[in-house]
Amino acid sequence: GAGVSQTPSNKVTEKGKYVELRCDPISGHTALYWYRQSLGQGPEFLIYFQGTGAADDSGLPNDRFFAVRPEGSVSTLKIQRTERGDSAVYLCASSLLAGVGNEQFFGPGTRLTVL
Amino acid sequence: KNQVEQSPQSLIILEGKNCTLQCNYTVSPFSNLRWYKQDTGRGPVSLTIMTFSENTKSNGRYTATLDADTKQSSLHITASQLSDSASYICVVSAGNDYKLSFGAGTTVTVRA
Repeated sequence: GAGVSQTPSNKVTEKGKYVELRCDPISGHTALYWYRQSLGQGPEFLIYFQGTGAADDSGLPNDRFFAVRPEGSVSTLKIQRTERGDSAVYLCASSLLAGVGNEQFFGPGTRLTVL
Repeated sequence: KNQVEQSPQSLIILEGKNCTLQCNYTVSPFSNLRWYKQDTGRGPVSLTIMTFSENTKSNGRYTATLDADTKQSSLHITASQLSDSASYICVVSAGNDYKLSFGAGTTVTVRA
């Protein structure tokens, strides 16, 4: 039973570049979440998918951030024109169903560094 | 605004000793509270979950308490081991919301 996996584990890019971060949720989990964790802080919600649709993207900081989940499984977080302030660990989580009581299982994260 | 505050920010303990971490929250309406352990470079892993009616929950050497009246929780680690070195994050769920409110975590370092 594989858990949530994320690739790459580390990504270093230059300011202004485009990056894609991938998340493979636990098989059969319908809900998928993206979080951003800055150094010394707890994760902050970015976006939540129920199936293929983004049910709540209210945590995305601006329009440079976009995420997709075209087939209801793998998700990609896309960041355009990266800025140094985007440097953080991006965590993905999945749960069997959405809503309270459904434990979210987290991946190891992708550490993004924008130079 | 839903908030979760944790203390201390960090602590160092000797192997075999006990320690207690604190969590205060203002999340409303309260649904449940989880303590997560996050090893360096890894994602958070759930240790315990407590609902409004539960005031204590154990998982091995980890014991969590909850006082829903004062909106406080604690995580007690007994007979600490080197592998307990990690960040411990208090996470609160509100109502039926899937959004989680995270504390900043307490970094625990266990030394031999």
